[in-house]
Amino acid sequence: DTGVSQDPRHKITKRGQNVTFRCDPISEHNRLYWYRQTLGQGPEFLTYFQNEAQLEKSRLLSDRFSAERPKGSFSTLEIQRTEQGDSAMYLCASSLRRAASYNEQFFGPGTRLTVL
Amino acid sequence: GEDVEQSLFLSVREGDSSVINCTYTDSSSTYLYWYKQEPGAGLQLLTYIFSNMDMKQDQRLTVLLNKKDKHLSLRIADTQTGDSAIYFCAEGTSGTYKYIFGTGTRLKVLA
Repeated sequence: DTGVSQDPRHKITKRGQNVTFRCDPISEHNRLYWYRQTLGQGPEFLTYFQNEAQLEKSRLLSDRFSAERPKGSFSTLEIQRTEQGDSAMYLCASSLRRAASYNEQFFGPGTRLTVL
Repeated sequence: GEDVEQSLFLSVREGDSSVINCTYTDSSSTYLYWYKQEPGAGLQLLTYIFSNMDMKQDQRLTVLLNKKDKHLSLRIADTQTGDSAIYFCAEGTSGTYKYIFGTGTRLKVLA
C-alpha cells in the first residue's frame, strides 16, 4: 500500500493526558499537512510542512499542539494536556510540489481521538 | 475572508442526477476541488477545476464554475447507491498550499 498511513486509527484518552499521532506520507511527497475534522464539519487546516520545515500554522493550533517532521518524511502531531474539545478526527495529507499551483493532496484514513 | 459553504443534505433516487452546490469567498482561489468521504474511509479526490475554466466533465461528473458569483457545482449523472457519501468542496490558492473545505453535503441515494 503506497498511500498515506496514520497511526493509531483510534485513540481514547483521559482529559489532561498527552497523545501523539504519526503520519507516513506517500514516499516521494515533500509536502505534508495536518487537518482536524469535528463531527458534521469539513476538515480545518492545522499546519503544513515542506520537507522538514513547518511553513504555516493555523491559529487553531494552540500552544498545547506541536507538530514535527524531523527528517522530511514521517510527521508527528502531539497534543499536551488534552481537553474534551480536542476530540476530533485528525487527518494527514501529502502532496508533491509542482511548478504549477495545482496541488492535489492525498489524505490518510485519519486518527479519531476521543477525550473522556 | 475564508468561508466555503454547502447545503447539508441531498436526497435523490437511484438513476437521477445529483447536483451539489458550493459557494466560496476567496476570489484568489486558483483551483477548486471536490472530495468524497465515505464512512471509515479517507477523503478521496473526485475532480478539480482550474479557476479560468467554466466547466469540466469527467465521466459521470460535471463541474460548473461561476467565478463571478463564486459558485461551484458538482453534477453526478445516473446516481448510484454507491455514490452515497459526504461530498466536500475545497479551495486552494496559489502561494498558500492549504485547502479551505466546505462543511460537506451528505448525499443519500434511494434505491
